[in-house]
Amino acid sequence: GESVGLHLPTLSVQEGDNSIINCAYSNSASDYFIWYKQESGKGPQFIIDIRSNMDKRQGQRVTVLLNKTVKHLSLQIAATQPGDSAVYFCAEKRSEGGKLIFGQGTELSVKP
Amino acid sequence: NAGVTQTPKFQVLKTGQSMTLQCAQDMNHNSMYWYRQDPGMGLRLIYYSASEGTTDKGEVPNGYNVSRLNKREFSLRLESAAPSQTSVYFCASSEDWRGANYEQYFGPGTRLTVT
Repeated sequence: GESVGLHLPTLSVQEGDNSIINCAYSNSASDYFIWYKQESGKGPQFIIDIRSNMDKRQGQRVTVLLNKTVKHLSLQIAATQPGDSAVYFCAEKRSEGGKLIFGQGTELSVKP
Repeated sequence: NAGVTQTPKFQVLKTGQSMTLQCAQDMNHNSMYWYRQDPGMGLRLIYYSASEGTTDKGEVPNGYNVSRLNKREFSLRLESAAPSQTSVYFCASSEDWRGANYEQYFGPGTRLTVT
C-alpha cells in the first residue's frame, strides 16, 4: 500500500504486505530528514534518518528514500506487522541549526 | 536511564489558571524543546533551548514562557490558561544544536485540558 504525502493522512495495508509512506518537504535547503513513529498515547519514537548527501538508507525492515529533485521523502516498511500500526511523521531540518519541522503525519493501519 | 520524563501526565485547568509543565532528561543532552500536538496535526515547536542558559521562540510561543533551569531540566509555564491551549505537550531533547546528531528524543507527553 502507498500514501500520497500530506493529502492522504491514512493508509491501510494487509499484514505481510509492504507499506510506503510518502512525504513532501518544503525547503530545498533542508539537509537532514527523519522519520518518527507515534503510537497512540505515546511520544514520537525515532525510526530512521537520512542526510541530504544520501539517496537511500536502510534499517531493520525500513528503508528511507530521498529525492531532492522533487523534494520528496518516503518510508518503506517491509512485511508490515500489526505492531507497525501508528502515525508516522516525517521531519526536516533546515540548515540553520537543530530545529525540526514536522509534517502532518500519516496513520498506518495494518489489517490482520 | 529513563530518557525524557514529563510531569504531570494529565492536567485539567480552568480558564485563567496558571501551571508549569516539568521536563527532565538524563542523557546529558545540550538542547531541549517544547512542542504541542493538536488532533490531526503534526508537532509545532513552542520554545527551544539550544544550550543551557539560552531559550528561543519557536513557531507558536504566544501564551507560554520557558525556563532552562539547568542542563537536565526545561519547564514550560502557562501564565493564564486559555481553551485554545488544550493540547498534548511534548518535551524533547537532542545531543546538540549544531553537532552531527540531530535526532530528538521525546517524552511521553502531558495531556492538558483547559475548560
